Order: sequence, then structure tokens, then C-alpha cells
Amino acid sequence: GNSVTQMEGPVTLSEEAFLTINCTYTATGYPSLFWYVQYPGEGLQLLLKATKADDKGSNKGFEATYRKETTSFHLEKGSVQVSDSAVYFCALIQTGANNLFFGTGTRLTVIP
Amino acid sequence: DGGITQSPKYLFRKEGQNVTLSCEQNLNHDAMYWYRQDPGQGLRLIYYSQIVNDFQKGDIAEGYSVSREKKESFPLTVTSAQKNPTAFYLCASSGPKDRVGVFGQPQHFGDGTRLSIL
Repeated sequence: GNSVTQMEGPVTLSEEAFLTINCTYTATGYPSLFWYVQYPGEGLQLLLKATKADDKGSNKGFEATYRKETTSFHLEKGSVQVSDSAVYFCALIQTGANNLFFGTGTRLTVIP
Repeated sequence: DGGITQSPKYLFRKEGQNVTLSCEQNLNHDAMYWYRQDPGQGLRLIYYSQIVNDFQKGDIAEGYSVSREKKESFPLTVTSAQKNPTAFYLCASSGPKDRVGVFGQPQHFGDGTRLSIL
């Protein structure tokens, strides 16, 4: 079956620190992979995506590389800001399917 | 601007009462989805609809019902049969296949409705 495992939070970092949030997946075939971000009291926003192996998704200074050999899609940012404080969800969807499978989310708090 | 509107933002339900959560989109998307989010958990799919007048159960459909009479609207009813309805409910929509032929992504989300029991 399909599943997504995320690094458990919460994660607390100082401003300008380096961020890594681990995400590994289990899926048949070749899924597309996503990171969504949820700011307090809001819905989810697509942060970045990758649709095939070795693709790198990037947006707002965040990056994630689709690693088929390790079935991973770790989220990274070189220098976090207070405004990055949010919950981050890793997700996958199978080609031709409708359902997104989400990880449990990782809460990031960035302190000044 | 195009987007997804969920209403109300906060909703309270009495025991034994049905309540309906609204979801409207003006993105001209064919597919719409309802998710439930509980604290410390990921999102779980309740129902989804790929086209008007058609919908499918997701992973946790029991105690919920939906309708899709119009393309832009996908209301969710939380029935009295749902014994633990307190949660954050998120509606999403997605357009046709993107250029690599993957249907149903990316999904665009509304701001959610928080449902509580009185």
C-alpha cells in the first residue's frame, strides 16, 4: 500500500538555522511527491513538488529531491525565518490516482 | 481571485444533530475532496468527487455524506452517526491532468472549518 512517514516534531530552530525535515514513503510504481505547508488557522498550501526520480522541487528557499533509491523526499532550507513557523506535510499521489496520502505533519517553530 | 471558500470557519454541533459544511470553488476544477484533520495526525480522506453527480468514499466515510449537484460546490454533512466529529475539516479541489499526465494534483485547499461538539 501507500504510506508516508515523516520525522516527528515538534522542531524548534533559531532564525537562520538550517532545516531538514525527513520524509520517506512506501508506494508501488512511481508516485508524485509533495510538500504542503499549513500556517496557523489556515488550510494547506502546496510548497513544492516533484513528479519523477531525481527531480528537485523548490520554492521560497525550500528544496526537496525525489530519491527513488532511498524512497525519500526530505525538505531542506538553508536559513529559516520566523515566518516559516508552520506545520509541514509530506504527501504522495500515485500516477493516475485521486488520493493524496499525507504524513502526520511536522510542526516547525522558528525563534528570533 | 480564484480559490476555495469554506464556511463557516467555526461550527458547533449538538448531540444528535446533523450539520453541513460548505465548500465552494471558482477554479473550474472537476475534482473535489473532503479531509479530516485531527491533532497530531495527518489528513484523512472522507469523500471525493471527480465529476458532477458522482462521488466516492474515502478512508473514513462512515457518519458523513456528500452531494455534488454543481461543479463548484461539494457540501459535506456530518451526521449524528459520526460519534467523534470534533475535528478540523478541509476541502480541496484539483484540475485536470497536468502536463505529465498525473490526474488530481496539485490540490488546492480551503482555509478549513473547525467543528466542535457542544
